[in-house]
Amino acid sequence: NAGVTQTPKFRVLKTGQSMTLLCAQDMNHEYMYWYRQDPGMGLRLIHYSVGEGTTAKGEVPDGYNVSRLKKQNFLLGLESAAPSQTSVYFCASRTLYGYTFGSGTRLTVV
Amino acid sequence: TQLLEQSPQFLSIQEGENLTVYCNSSSVFSSLQWYRQEPGEGPVLLVTVVTGGEVKKLKRLTFQFGDARKDSSLHITAAQPGDTGLYLCAGMNYGGSQGNLIFGKGTKLSVKP
Repeated sequence: NAGVTQTPKFRVLKTGQSMTLLCAQDMNHEYMYWYRQDPGMGLRLIHYSVGEGTTAKGEVPDGYNVSRLKKQNFLLGLESAAPSQTSVYFCASRTLYGYTFGSGTRLTVV
Repeated sequence: TQLLEQSPQFLSIQEGENLTVYCNSSSVFSSLQWYRQEPGEGPVLLVTVVTGGEVKKLKRLTFQFGDARKDSSLHITAAQPGDTGLYLCAGMNYGGSQGNLIFGKGTKLSVKP
């Protein structure tokens, strides 16, 4: 099925560990996004990309890095995880009229 | 900073009732989108409205974009348990922030049978 695929779906990290979240889309979209969703805070933009090889900071970029080496993939990295990064992470790609979201990664940092 | 305020934050109703969810801002948006999110899943686009005063219908759901393109509403007629979920409005401006969406915090709807 066409769409946005996120891996993994669940992960538990210890404080200070690193990990990479993978997002893949097969719709040939130029724009891709990483959001985090927290209770009472809504969806907040972490980083985004307007095309292969480009990245830009969103609203809450600190503690995260991203890469877009291939058009279909957008990676989100946590170099040294902190409990404040416990959240549900969503990747999305964009058409002219709306976003298509993945099903999310639930990350817990203990 | 552009903000979108959604109300109510929570809504619990019985099957068959009607409801309206509101999305308001002091800013003008090029377009306004509504998403529904179910537990454990990502938001799914329901509709995009782009013209001030525009009304779109999706079965029992009616979406309206305000004349000044600062607000929107979602009306559900005869709600069903399958309508349960988190409803998010999101505004887009093509000019400024690379067309990034600004999301409201959502309205959590529970429809009881």
